[in-house]
Amino acid sequence: TQLLEQSPQFLSIQEGENLTVYCNSSSVFSSLQWYRQEPGEGPVLLVTVVTGGEVKKLKRLTFQFGDARKDSSLHITAAQPGDTGLYLCAGARYNQGGKLIFGQGTELSVKP
Amino acid sequence: KAGVTQTPRYLIKTRGQQVTLSCSPISGHRSVSWYQQTPGQGLQFLFEYFSETQRNKGNFPGRFSGRQFSNSRSEMNVSTLELGDSALYLCASNRTPQRETQYFGPGTRLLVL
Repeated sequence: TQLLEQSPQFLSIQEGENLTVYCNSSSVFSSLQWYRQEPGEGPVLLVTVVTGGEVKKLKRLTFQFGDARKDSSLHITAAQPGDTGLYLCAGARYNQGGKLIFGQGTELSVKP
Repeated sequence: KAGVTQTPRYLIKTRGQQVTLSCSPISGHRSVSWYQQTPGQGLQFLFEYFSETQRNKGNFPGRFSGRQFSNSRSEMNVSTLELGDSALYLCASNRTPQRETQYFGPGTRLLVL
């Protein structure tokens, strides 16, 4: 059972386009993290959101945690080829920080 | 500060063999978690250790085991390897289990033939 549904699974866009990745669950999480992973490497943390309704910005990336803490989104403005990679959302339950529940990931390809 | 290190980075084994993977967490981090990543199942939690004690375990068969040493370094072992055990095994660390952000190592790529 996949507790975190991430969509879309694949996304191929042109440089300069905007995109949004969604992460949805019927479960409540105490926090949600977004990671980016390059081929053959481990995931690298982009952001952690902990408060319902929270919005965080990281340059051209905007992350939002749903009010009910069941969903999250990642929006990239004016995508660049350097944004290419696998984006993963992961939810944590209270006092189980090491036991993250991951979405299936979104493979993003940004073509010049 | 050095990141999470994992050894070896690549490993080829045959069915029925056993394998031991090693993880050294970031200095000062005492919580270590292990994950298996495959194209079909994505990232799945294996187990979590803190202060040499297993705190959580995922839904994997008993062939998968782990341990943590007093210096917080951790090892995981897979016995009687199966073809389906081919995967990227990732280790992650943080200071305590209450801290939910995980810092991942580069992983060990295991291929079972």
